[in-house]
Amino acid sequence: AQTVTQSQPEMSVQEAETVTLSCTYDTSENNYYLFWYKQPPSRQMILVIRQEAYKQQNATENRFSVNFQKAAKSFSLKISDSQLGDTAMYFCAFVEGSARQLTFGSGTQLTVLP
Amino acid sequence: SAVISQKPSRDICQRGTSLTIQCQVDSQVTMMFWYRQQPGQSLTLIATANQGSEATYESGFVIDKFPISRPNLTFSTLTVSNMSPEDSSIYLCSVEEGGRGHFAAEAFFGQGTRLTVV
Repeated sequence: AQTVTQSQPEMSVQEAETVTLSCTYDTSENNYYLFWYKQPPSRQMILVIRQEAYKQQNATENRFSVNFQKAAKSFSLKISDSQLGDTAMYFCAFVEGSARQLTFGSGTQLTVLP
Repeated sequence: SAVISQKPSRDICQRGTSLTIQCQVDSQVTMMFWYRQQPGQSLTLIATANQGSEATYESGFVIDKFPISRPNLTFSTLTVSNMSPEDSSIYLCSVEEGGRGHFAAEAFFGQGTRLTVV
C-alpha cells in the first residue's frame, strides 16, 4: 500500500521569505501523480500544484514550485515570497495512475509571520 | 472547475442521533468521495460513491455506520448514524474532473461539514 509522509508538523516563515515543505512517499508503481493541497482556516481544500511522475521537469505555479526526486521518492514544495495568505495546513497527496482516490500525508501547518 | 456545495457547514448533535450531509456538484461526475478529517489530523477516505451501484467502503468504515446515497450524477449524501463523541470530525465530499478512464487532473472538495457530537 502506498504511504505519504510529511515529517514537519509545523513550520513558520517570515513574510517575503522562502520556505520548503517536505514530503516523501512509498510506492511500487511507476505511473502516479503527486499533489500539494492547501487547507486554510476556512477548511476549503485548494489544489496548489501537481506533478505527473512521468514528467522529469519540476512543476511550477507562480510562487509555488516542487522539487520532484523520483528515485528518492521525494516531493517537496517551495513557496517563494511568502505571503500572509499562505498561512494554512498543507497536505501532500498521492494517487496511483489506475486508482481514483487520493492518499494524504499528515499535513504541515505553515504560519507566515508579518 | 467543479463547484461543490456541501451542507450543513456545521452541526452539533446529540449522542445516539444521526446526521445526513448533502453534497451537490454543479456538473455530472462519475465518482464522488467522502472523507473524514478528525481534529488536527489528515483526511481519511471513508468511501467512494458511484451512481447506480453500492458505495465502496475503506477498511474501518461500514455501511451501517456511514450509509451513502448516490441517486444521480450530481448529488450524494453521507449519513453518520448512531453518533458518539468519537464521530466529531470534519466530513468532506470530493469529486474529480477531466479523467478519460484514468485519474483526473484535479480533485475538488466541498467546504466540509464540522460535526460535534455531545
